[in-house]
Formats: sequence, C-alpha cells, structure tokens
Amino acid sequence: DSGVTQTPKHLITATGQRVTLRCSPRSGDLSVYWYQQSLDQGLQFLIQYYNGEERAKGNILERFSAQQFPDLHSELNLSSLELGDSALYFCASSPLGGTYNEQFFGPGTRLTVL
Amino acid sequence: AQTVTQSQPEMSVQEAETVTLSCTYDTSENNYYLFWYKQPPSRQMILVIRQEAYKQQNATENRFSVNFQKAAKSFSLKISDSQLGDTAMYFCAFMTSNSGNTPLVFGKGTRLSVIA
Repeated sequence: DSGVTQTPKHLITATGQRVTLRCSPRSGDLSVYWYQQSLDQGLQFLIQYYNGEERAKGNILERFSAQQFPDLHSELNLSSLELGDSALYFCASSPLGGTYNEQFFGPGTRLTVL
Repeated sequence: AQTVTQSQPEMSVQEAETVTLSCTYDTSENNYYLFWYKQPPSRQMILVIRQEAYKQQNATENRFSVNFQKAAKSFSLKISDSQLGDTAMYFCAFMTSNSGNTPLVFGKGTRLSVIA
C-alpha cells in the first residue's frame, strides 16, 4: 500500500459524458501528478500540482482539467469523453524536494468509455 | 525533450535464472534520476530501484541491480535468481533533477514472464 488513494477504482460511462477522478496523496506530500496509461500510448504524464498550484503540464487534452484543493487532494475532470479516453489513470504523489525523489503511485482508476 | 526507449517488448526467463532488461534514454541534462518500476497484473506501480546520475556506483536492491552507463545513456536492470512473482511489466523512467518534483518520462515497457 503506497498511501495514495484513488476513487473510484472502476468507471464505465458513455461517449460525450463527463467524469471526475479523485486522488488523495500520502500524508504530507505536496506534489500530485496525473498519468494516463493506455494500450497505444503507454504511460504519459498529464499534469502536476504542487501545494495547490499547477506546476507542469504534459500531454493533457483541453477537454481534461485538474485542480488541487487546500487539503491537497486532487481531482481530474474529463469531459466530452471519447472512446480513446478509455485508459488507466494514475495519481502519484511525492514529498518535498531534496534527494529523495520517489513518486508513490495510487492503485489507479480504470475508465471505460462505451 | 527527454525520451526513454525500451527495445525489448517481451522477455522470458526460467525461474532461478538471471535476466537483463535494457533501457536507453536521451537527454541534454547532466543531473537526473533513473528508475525502474514494476507493474504486476494487479496494475499497481511499484518502484524497484533508482539511480542518481551523479553517482558512479550502480544501485543494488537485493536481487535487483542496474548497469548505469552515463556516457552511453544506458540503464539496464538485472534480475538475479528470478522468481515467479517477478512476472510483470517493467518500466524504465527518467526524471530531471529539479528539487525532486518533476514528472516522470516512461519507456513503453518490457513484459517479463518468469517460467517455472
């Protein structure tokens, strides 16, 4: 158990719909990252938040957005869903900088768009 | 932009034998970190081993060790005494050194099967 929690574990929805994925980082971790794992694209970085502020952006579509709340949990919002958005979405968290750079991954949310 | 390449999509090894997974990367940075993550059928991402680029000594964690060749930009993972529980996808990942809070860049992965 990494200490990172993600809900829900599974999500099945239809094209055109909107969903919200939730992530709670490890206690004390200020950085939250979102990654997408799909069959054809592998593991791709989407977006990072650090203590409530957007820190880095990767290959995140305009239909997707995220935020980090004052209690440090984060939500990833996916809208106008397409079949190609079906994937495993991981959240990871890491402690404040320094020499220890491990990212701790949550169990993921499997999204299926029908 | 950094890229990570894993040239072996699939590998298999007999139980108790040794196997080496390859990884190469491309970067213009001098300071960075490299990781191997394991993803078993449960889909959980588990850190196996990490290497700081400024360290010449290769990292070792029990049966797992790396061969880090900075000039060649190569970072291979050696698994000794392979066990059935080592069956998983293995991802090589790169992180720039920026106070440790930067995203990971992953390779496409190598699917390892350990055969009894």
